[in-house]
Amino acid sequence: AQKITQTQPGMFVQEKEAVTLDCTYDTSDPSYGLFWYKQPSSGEMIFLIYQGSYDQQNATEGRYSLNFQKARKSANLVISASQLGDSAMYFCAMREGLTGTASKLTFGTGTRLQVTL
Amino acid sequence: DTEVTQTPKHLVMGMTNKKSLKCEQHMGHRAMYWYKQKAKKPPELMFVYSYEKLSINESVPSRFSPECPNSSLLNLHLHALQPEDSALYLCASSQERGSWAKNIQYFGAGTRLSVL
Repeated sequence: AQKITQTQPGMFVQEKEAVTLDCTYDTSDPSYGLFWYKQPSSGEMIFLIYQGSYDQQNATEGRYSLNFQKARKSANLVISASQLGDSAMYFCAMREGLTGTASKLTFGTGTRLQVTL
Repeated sequence: DTEVTQTPKHLVMGMTNKKSLKCEQHMGHRAMYWYKQKAKKPPELMFVYSYEKLSINESVPSRFSPECPNSSLLNLHLHALQPEDSALYLCASSQERGSWAKNIQYFGAGTRLSVL
């Protein structure tokens, strides 16, 4: 079974509008972290935002916020006031288990976001 | 500073060549990772080094040989590769101590490898 599911292969949004990128996850571990990365065409994976499974409040970082609904196992990324430079591939990822132990990130298949004028 | 530096940016090699990819970080991170990414796919983990010891090998073929000479440096030695090994190779590092927030993986810009 897929651990991270991103159901939107591609999204369009107009400049200055907000957009939500969906991510659902599947784990039985009570300790996990959820991460969003941006990958422009240049290839670099840029860390955007993270949410821990025990965090009570939704994470925010500038124009990025994470809509964390634990019971529904969803961790949607909201980008406010979209800019042309936001056009990129966006990956949701999860890491399970305790801290202090190097372990793998499981990535979703990604959503390609295109910001239009 | 969250910089992970990878060299070279681009590499073209023949199937009989031996080459190496290099990754460097100066953030004091104690875990380093190699990922392989094919076009339009998510990254796939290859290797993890934790405190300079190989802790995870995701059943990668032996033509890929990782090396961690010190806590700041990670190499990937390539030998007798196949054309299907052409991909973007990403390096990442993370702190590996403390809270979840300090275990974020930071990635380099990658090496685009073409095997002819």
